Formats: sequence, structure tokens, C-alpha cells
Amino acid sequence: DIQMTQSPSSLSASVGDRVTITCRASQSISSYLNWYQQKPGKAPKSLIYAASSLQSGVPSRFSGSGSGTDFTLTISSLQPEDFATYFCQQSYSTPYTFGQGTKLEIK
Amino acid sequence: QVQLVESGGGLVKPGGSLRLSCAASGFTFSDYYMSWIRQAPGKGLEWISYISTSGTTTYHADSVKGRFTISRDNAKNSLYLQMNSLRADDTAVYYCAREGRGLSSDYWGQGTLVTVSS
Repeated sequence: DIQMTQSPSSLSASVGDRVTITCRASQSISSYLNWYQQKPGKAPKSLIYAASSLQSGVPSRFSGSGSGTDFTLTISSLQPEDFATYFCQQSYSTPYTFGQGTKLEIK
Repeated sequence: QVQLVESGGGLVKPGGSLRLSCAASGFTFSDYYMSWIRQAPGKGLEWISYISTSGTTTYHADSVKGRFTISRDNAKNSLYLQMNSLRADDTAVYYCAREGRGLSSDYWGQGTLVTVSS
């Protein structure tokens, strides 16, 4: 199985900050990398697919980049509703494994 | 709008069985691969099963292989997960999800809680 490792595991930031979350795959996954946001008690929401493509309706302050083994999710200017847990997922080969999550908290 | 509504969760004893359902609406169900993904309490996400549009191709993670079976009924716009020989470590919220562009799970249901306990 492909292992996905996110860093950091948690992060404190303020409204308006620029934030970057990193995801590393244990082997090359080309651009088959997805990002999700999850708020407490809610289902995950898809943000980005294929490493850098924004899902419909997702604000443009979210962006993704990378290919191969190293990927990033960037939020350009944090908004109050962005405080949540973020997961990466590879869809290169089954099982489509997730990272352990990054909890983004208000500073 | 796309809607996925899971049902069938509950409390079951170890070794027992449960069948989860997911009712889909707002899109052409038969055009999409579908998946089940679970999340143990306070833990991360585990992708466990997917099924092709026609149902002829399925995949199950090693953790559930031989015990869980994914299926679908395109006439009823429904996805199912038959869970047998349940264990305590199967306790989780189970989500159904639509597989969209880039093989990402672009829409998720609200989840249904399965608790395996004596």
C-alpha cells in the first residue's frame, strides 16, 4: 500500500494568514492526489483533485500543487470557516490511502 | 443537487452482520463509480470498497476482504455494503461517496455509525 504522510499534524494560525500543508507519498503517484476538508461531526468535503484542480464551488484561496511524491495545499488568506482538519488522499493505486490529517486551529 | 443518504447503521454484537444502504439522487447514478469510506471515532479516513458503474468490478481493502461486500442497484439508485463477521475494530462512521474527476470522492453522504460491541 502507498503510505501518505502529512505535515504538520496540527497547526495554529490566524485569520488572514497564508497556510501551507504538505503531503508526501511513499512512492510516485503522478498527480493522483486529492485534498479534503472535514469539520467536526461532518462528512469530508472535496477541495482539490488531481493535485491542483479546484472542485466546483471551492473558493479560489485554496490551491494545490506538486507531482510525484511531494504535494502542498495552500490557503492564501485564512477565513474563519477554514478552521478544520485537512486530509490528502492518493488515487493512483488501490487502496486509495489517506494521510493522517492536519488539524488547523485558531491561534 | 447531488445527495447521498446512508442508512442501516447501529449497534451489533461481534460476529454479527449489518447491511448499509446509500440512496443517491441529483445525478445519473449509473454513470459513476461509488465507494465506501469509514472513519473510526477520533481517527482518520479509511477507503474500504469501490464498485464500477455496472457493478462488475469491485475492490475491497484487505481489512474487510472476505467479510464485506459492496454492491449496487442502478434501477434503485442505491449502493449497499453487506458487512459480515463484524469485529470491534469495524466500529466507525461509514460514508458512501461518489467517485468523480481525478478519482476523487467528490460528494459524500452524512455517514452512518456502526458500533460493534457486546
